[in-house]
Parts: sequence; C-alpha cells; structure tokens
Amino acid sequence: QLQLQESGPGLVKPSETLSLNCNVSGGSISSRSYYWGWIRQPPGKGLEWIGYMYYSGSAYYNPSLKSRVTTSVDTSKNQFSLKLSSVTAADTAVYYCARRPEAAGYGMDVWGQGTTVTVSS
Amino acid sequence: SYDLTQPPSVSVSPGQTASITCSGDKLGNRYACWYQQKPGQSPVLVIYQDTKRPSGIPERFSGSNSGNTATLTISGTQAMDEADYYCQAWDSSTVVFGGGTKLTVL
Repeated sequence: QLQLQESGPGLVKPSETLSLNCNVSGGSISSRSYYWGWIRQPPGKGLEWIGYMYYSGSAYYNPSLKSRVTTSVDTSKNQFSLKLSSVTAADTAVYYCARRPEAAGYGMDVWGQGTTVTVSS
Repeated sequence: SYDLTQPPSVSVSPGQTASITCSGDKLGNRYACWYQQKPGQSPVLVIYQDTKRPSGIPERFSGSNSGNTATLTISGTQAMDEADYYCQAWDSSTVVFGGGTKLTVL
C-alpha cells in the first residue's frame, strides 16, 4: 500500500526558504500514471493547493504562489520536494504531500500525515 | 481566478440525509471531487469525477454535479461522519478548493 511521509524543519525564519521532502514508499514515484503534489492548511483554515508535478519534472503551480515555489523529483530516492522562498508568517501551515492519478477528474487519493511548519524569528 | 463557494456549516440529525453544496461558475462543465477531514487528520477523498466513490468509502456517500452546483449527499448520516468537507475542481490545470463546510451531526 502506497504511503507518503513529509519531512523537514518545523521552524523557518521569515524571508528564508522553506524546504520539505515527501518520501514515497510502497510504490514508485516514476509511475507514468500519477502526479505528486503539495497542499497546505493554515491553522484553523481551509486547504490551499500549492502545486503538483509529474515524475518527468513538468509541474503546475497555484498562480498566487508560483513566483516563490520550486518543486523537484528525485527518482533515485523515490521522493519529491518543495521549496517555498521568502516566507512570511502567512506561510505558517500544515503542509501535506499527496498523490493524484492523472486521469481527468481524479482527486488526490493518497495523502501524507502532514507536517507543521511555523514561520517565526 | 476560479472560485468555489461552500456553506460554512451544515447540521443534520443522525440517520437523516445531509447535503453539502459547492457553487462555481458553470461548475457542471468541470469535474468535482470531495474530501472529508476529521480533526487532526489528513483529508480523505470521498468522491471523484463528480459521482464516483474510491474503494472503502461507504455507499451512503454520493455526489452530483450540474449547472453551477456540485452536491455531496450523505444518506443515513452517522456520528462518525461529523467532519469538515471540501469540494475541489480544476481551473485549466490548476486545482481549486472550496472554503470547506463543517458538518455537525446532532
């Protein structure tokens, strides 16, 4: 059974870059049938899509975050990564990684447990 | 940008039918999905492609999408269904979430 696990620093200083990894187990990130994505949830608020990427590296991002987001895939480690630059307190959130089958209309069917990131000096 | 609107809260009595709506311009021309999120847990996909249930999702969960509104219906609502529910659709290749609806079973 596919499992996703986020990892990374829980505390990031304002203006710095937030970096998270998502380790994929129980399946291959190189599968041509899936996108791999990131979603966040500020405390007490709703879900916000950050972006997702294909194993080949092609990616789609939330227009409101696009200028600060970089994603990558490391097939040798079976993991994918998120970098969010120039963070502020507004970027404090639980960050989830998730899988989305590439078929049209398919939502994100496997989620990680989430990792809390706080932006504070 | 494309916006999805959900009611902040819906209440239902145990055993009754709960309906949660999601409104967006010509939403019926796009696919909609629904997620359930319980406190402290990750979201779970409960409906995809408007009407389909992933494996393991109870039959009491159903979906529809027409015109400007997608609807998640929970028949015979149980106490365990109390959660936040989020609709999701696509705007070109980008993902849009609704603001979420808190379902209270009382």
